[in-house]
Amino acid sequence: QTVVTQEPSFSVSPGGTVTLTCGLSSGSVSGSHYPSWYQQTPGQAPRSLIYSTNTRSSGVPDRFSGSILGNKAALTITGAQADDESDYYCVLYMGSGIVVFGGGTKLTVL
Amino acid sequence: QVQLVESGGGVVQPGRSLRLSCAASGFTFSSYTMHWVRQAPGKGLEWVAYFSYDGTNKYYADSVKGRFTISRDNSKNTLSLQMTSLRAEDTAVYYCTRDRQVVHFDYWGQGTLVTVSS
Repeated sequence: QTVVTQEPSFSVSPGGTVTLTCGLSSGSVSGSHYPSWYQQTPGQAPRSLIYSTNTRSSGVPDRFSGSILGNKAALTITGAQADDESDYYCVLYMGSGIVVFGGGTKLTVL
Repeated sequence: QVQLVESGGGVVQPGRSLRLSCAASGFTFSSYTMHWVRQAPGKGLEWVAYFSYDGTNKYYADSVKGRFTISRDNSKNTLSLQMTSLRAEDTAVYYCTRDRQVVHFDYWGQGTLVTVSS
């Protein structure tokens, strides 16, 4: 069974840059997985940040960017702000109708 | 504006059934693939099922296959999830979400809580 891996937690200083990654338990992530990224704060529905690897969703500031780094998808936040403190989830399309979320990364800004 | 409103959650005993609904408005419902995604208390997001916009494809996570059935009524702009043989591990907030472009979930409902407990 495919497992999508994310760092359980990460910390960044205000104004700093952080890169969260999204990998596969077996194999490499590529554009054909259509990696997308979602931000979620407690008690709220997720919010779309990035889709199709590197396309920002409507209204998302350009300090959020997506890419493929090595064999993983990546979400980079440049100039982190206090309200970026959230849970971040990646999603991959595995083909044949199968969609898999990563376990999520809890980002702390301090 | 786009709105997705889930309903039908509640407390149900193990082994029983429950039907969730998602009322969509503000967009051409029949043009979009729709998904159910759930989140157990204190846990991460888990994809549950999707129904393609053209009605040709339905897919399920292994954890719910054979127990849950996704359906849609494009005339009523409604997505549904029939859940049977419910287990404690199905306890979660269930979200309805619109797929704009291959797992680009651009709009989400507020979620409906399902609690499976005796």
